Amino acid sequence: KAGVTQTPRYLIKTRGQQVTLSCSPISGHRSVSWYQQTPGQGLQFLFEYFSETQRNKGNFPGRFSGRQFSNSRSEMNVSTLELGDSALYLCASSLYGRADTGELFFGEGSRLTVL
Amino acid sequence: GQQLNQSPQSMFIQEGEDVSMNCTSSSIFNTWLWYKQDPGEGPVLLIALYKAGELTSNGRLTAQFGITRKDSFLNISASIPSDVGIYFCAGPKTGANNLFFGTGTRLTVIP
Repeated sequence: KAGVTQTPRYLIKTRGQQVTLSCSPISGHRSVSWYQQTPGQGLQFLFEYFSETQRNKGNFPGRFSGRQFSNSRSEMNVSTLELGDSALYLCASSLYGRADTGELFFGEGSRLTVL
Repeated sequence: GQQLNQSPQSMFIQEGEDVSMNCTSSSIFNTWLWYKQDPGEGPVLLIALYKAGELTSNGRLTAQFGITRKDSFLNISASIPSDVGIYFCAGPKTGANNLFFGTGTRLTVIP
């Protein structure tokens, strides 16, 4: 069973640009969550999508957005990049999005560097 | 908001030694999860705890759900080099489907 696939793995952008990251969940999983990981703030929840609907959103500015397609693949977008957006962005896939059961499976992440 | 504090922040141990780390919260959790993150990888679930006082093992790993529901502990026995990584505790946000993660404990095992 293929795992969670995130692309690209690494990317470098400059301030003011925008970026789109992609996540393909495990086959059959309908929930995709996104987390930001930085040395200073640790792992923080961005948002969760289930069957193309955003069900939950963390405390991030509106520059961070996402969507989910009918095949459950998800993208997240960050507009008007700031230096502080440099981070590892992790996607987590699950069947029903039940975080309390520990059924989240994480991808390897997309490491974004903003110069 | 809910904060999960882990200690120690980092550990350097000799191969074969036992390791203990803990996680404390300002709020009650009904589930505690322990994840490990290898360099360049995403977190992987090690152990899930669902009941206060519960003690659960997974090979050389043992975790406990604190009685107060505000803390959890992870022990690793007879450490080996592949135990290197960052260990995170995590708990679900009440009524939501996302996780709060702890600050992490970085483990280095010296062969």
